[in-house]
Amino acid sequence: QITLRESGPTLVKPKQILTLTCSVSGFSITSTGVGVAWVRQPPGKALEWLAHIYWNENKLYSPSLQNKITISRDTARNQVVLTMTSVDPVDTATYFCVHMDVLSLTSLRFDSWGRGILVNVAS
Amino acid sequence: QPALTQPAAVSGSPGQSITISCTGTNSDVGGYNRVSWFQQHPGGAPKLIIYDVNNRPSGVSGRFSGSKSGNTASLTIFGLQPEDEAHYYCASYRHINTWVFGGGTKLTVL
Repeated sequence: QITLRESGPTLVKPKQILTLTCSVSGFSITSTGVGVAWVRQPPGKALEWLAHIYWNENKLYSPSLQNKITISRDTARNQVVLTMTSVDPVDTATYFCVHMDVLSLTSLRFDSWGRGILVNVAS
Repeated sequence: QPALTQPAAVSGSPGQSITISCTGTNSDVGGYNRVSWFQQHPGGAPKLIIYDVNNRPSGVSGRFSGSKSGNTASLTIFGLQPEDEAHYYCASYRHINTWVFGGGTKLTVL
């Protein structure tokens, strides 16, 4: 059974660095055809794709945030990490990590989601 | 401003069918058969219900159906049930190498 669990601070001050960790079980982040994505959702608002990392360590980033976020992984711990620099109150959101099943070069599905972690950015 | 346009709200009575639209551009919805739909109940995580325009993951009810015409994708729910009341989000691959979500649609089962 695939499970994902987000962890990290729930309160961060503006201009600080936010580091979120996605701990997964039921699959290996290095298995062929696997990816892990980060998606966020401000309170009462829509989902926003941030980034994802494939089993081969290829990474994709949202163009609007690519200078602010970094996605990385710890294969020994089977974890994926999202780092966001110089956070702002507009970054207040629930952050979800998501298992991706890469079916082919042109097909993937975001098929298992963590419960999310609500991060507040406030002084 | 969300990248994909969805109606803010739709409603229907139990047993009826409803359709939610998701409008993008040639660079996303219209250019690729890589549209997904997610269901999100209040306080919960999104759940994948449709991928690649019209494919259902195992375990998802056959009452959910996806389609696409031009730059607009659609999610149809047949035989509405009270538990279908939720927010629904579309998402699409966008050229080059990004993913975008819609603004979400609140479905009310009357």
